[in-house]
Amino acid sequence: EVQLVESGGGLVQPGGSLRLSCAASGFTFSHYWMSWARQAPGKGLEWLANINQDGSEKDYLGSVKGRFTISRDNAKNSLYVQMNSLGVEDTAVYYCARDFVGASLDYWGRGTLVTVSS
Amino acid sequence: QSALTQSPSASGSPGQSVTISCTGTSSDVGGYNYVSWYQQHPGKAPKLMIYEVSKRPSGVPDRFSGSKSGNTASLTVSGLQAEDEADYYCSSYAGSNNFRVFGTGTKVTVL
Repeated sequence: EVQLVESGGGLVQPGGSLRLSCAASGFTFSHYWMSWARQAPGKGLEWLANINQDGSEKDYLGSVKGRFTISRDNAKNSLYVQMNSLGVEDTAVYYCARDFVGASLDYWGRGTLVTVSS
Repeated sequence: QSALTQSPSASGSPGQSVTISCTGTSSDVGGYNYVSWYQQHPGKAPKLMIYEVSKRPSGVPDRFSGSKSGNTASLTVSGLQAEDEADYYCSSYAGSNNFRVFGTGTKVTVL
């Protein structure tokens, strides 16, 4: 069974940093592109970034490019996102997801909540 | 890149059909056959229901179907069941740098 479990969320002050992790199991992690997406409270979904199988290709949503860095460790079956210069608008539940065909995301974790507040 | 436009709500009685629309532009929905649909129950992770406009992942009932015409994609849920009550989001590939855009979401209520 495919499982994605995010961790690392919490309360952070504006301007602060946070690193989220996603532990993957139930599939060959190193064979898949992986993505991060988020959902602000009461709002819709927003794709943030993805990374290819060996970490050599990364793409970002324009509004987070330069502030967020996606990475992976295939030996640990883990996906990460380093988030810097956080603002209140970054408050959201952050999901990791597995890339599927046609730019779809076929498995999602349950998410981890990041709250940016003073 | 702006979010794709979905009607905020849709409803139907059990057994009926409901159709949700998702309107974009020629740079996303109209430009690629890479439209996906996701179901999200409150407090839960999104679930992929349709990919590449009309294909269903394994395990998704054939009551769910997708289509596209021009810049508008649609999801139809036939034979509505109580468990279909959820938020539904469309998504489309939008070109350069693997970018993908989501819709504003539609809350489906089973009356």
